[in-house]
Amino acid sequence: DAGVIQSPRHEVTEMGQEVTLRCKPISGHNSLFWYRQTMMRGLELLIYFNNNVPIDDSGMPEDRFSAKMPNASFSTLKIQPSEPRDSAVYFCASSLGGGGSSTDTQYFGPGTRLTVL
Amino acid sequence: AQSVTQPDIHITVSEGASLELRCNYSYGATPYLFWYVQSPGQGLQLLLKYFSGDTLVQGIKGFEAEFKRSQSSFNLRKPSVHWSDAAEYFCAVGAGGATNKLIFGTGTLLAVQP
Repeated sequence: DAGVIQSPRHEVTEMGQEVTLRCKPISGHNSLFWYRQTMMRGLELLIYFNNNVPIDDSGMPEDRFSAKMPNASFSTLKIQPSEPRDSAVYFCASSLGGGGSSTDTQYFGPGTRLTVL
Repeated sequence: AQSVTQPDIHITVSEGASLELRCNYSYGATPYLFWYVQSPGQGLQLLLKYFSGDTLVQGIKGFEAEFKRSQSSFNLRKPSVHWSDAAEYFCAVGAGGATNKLIFGTGTLLAVQP
């Protein structure tokens, strides 16, 4: 399997611009997670989906952030408008099971390094 | 609420020396515990996990971890460190309930001296 695929790997944009990060989970996995990693706050869960449905978006920082999962093989995380404090590495992860299966391993993508100038 | 503490932000060991990375958790029931490793510029890779049974868990790359309920700990160990083990290590606990969220610690950065 190709693993979790994220694009782009690096994104540099200017403040106020729209940014879209993309993720393709491992085929057959039912859960998808978006994380943000910064030096100050560490690894934070932003949102997760189960069977394409958002289950918990309590980690989404504010209305500028939105995430969608239109089908089982694709998800996007959008920031509009972007701000310099959004600069971070954004990871997507997927796991096989659905809700209530805390033993499931989460498989991480390589991440997207976002820089907002 | 569930939480994970990794008290050591940065650790340096000599190549060939033994390693122990500490992890303490807060959880009301039997926890599901994980150790992940992140190499520079890479995503996180699972080293090992515990959810039941034998409290000593073997993982990849020669790592092991021991679950100690009395100490609320899940420390990661390796008998002999290799230079390629230099990375950041994250401990995580399953959030429980009808969810498969993970709560991550802040990580321990491991440096290996030749």
